[in-house]
Amino acid sequence: QVQLVQSGAEVKKPGASVKVSCKVSGYSLSDLSMHWVRQAPGKGLEWMGGFDPEDVQTIYAQKFQGRVTMTEDTSTDTAHMELSSLRSEDTAVYYCATGSGDLDYWGQGTLVTVSS
Amino acid sequence: EIVLTQSPGTLSLSPGERATLSCRASQSVSSSYLAWYQQKPGQAPRLLIYGASSRATGIPDRFSGSGSGTDFTLTISRLEPEDFAMYYCQQYGSSPPFTFGGGTKVEIK
Repeated sequence: QVQLVQSGAEVKKPGASVKVSCKVSGYSLSDLSMHWVRQAPGKGLEWMGGFDPEDVQTIYAQKFQGRVTMTEDTSTDTAHMELSSLRSEDTAVYYCATGSGDLDYWGQGTLVTVSS
Repeated sequence: EIVLTQSPGTLSLSPGERATLSCRASQSVSSSYLAWYQQKPGQAPRLLIYGASSRATGIPDRFSGSGSGTDFTLTISRLEPEDFAMYYCQQYGSSPPFTFGGGTKVEIK
């Protein structure tokens, strides 16, 4: 059984960066395709990016290109998502999730608040 | 990028009734790589259906998915109190990018 445990809530100022972590247990991160999804308050789900096993690379949604970096530390089975140049519209709950396209395991979510 | 449009935005029904949720894609979804998720307030989404019609592990058989190409449907045969929630469709193709629909809220009438 895969379990994903995310880092705690963050409060950031506009223009700053945030790094959210997702610790995997019950499976090896290197055997999973990790994705990141966010949800602004009262809004729907938004896919940010994830690992494409066919091309063996991480694909980012066009909206976040140049601002987001997704990395993996296989020595600790921890995935990271860093979002830079934060603005108020980036206030959201950020989820890590894994699966072969359909996402059957999700972290609990990390609230990132961007406020001056 | 494939755009998914869900309808209706809100569905008001009573327990025991049948719910029919629609998800329409802007272009054909390859190999029926279409999933449905349920989300309750304050919780992460839960996978219900993958491959357009296969139930995920532990999902009751009152949930069913159907469709192909650009038109997909999630049906809840008889609504239980715990089924009142938000529902999202997602297309995941053969590789990213993936996209979600805007969601349908199933609320108690």
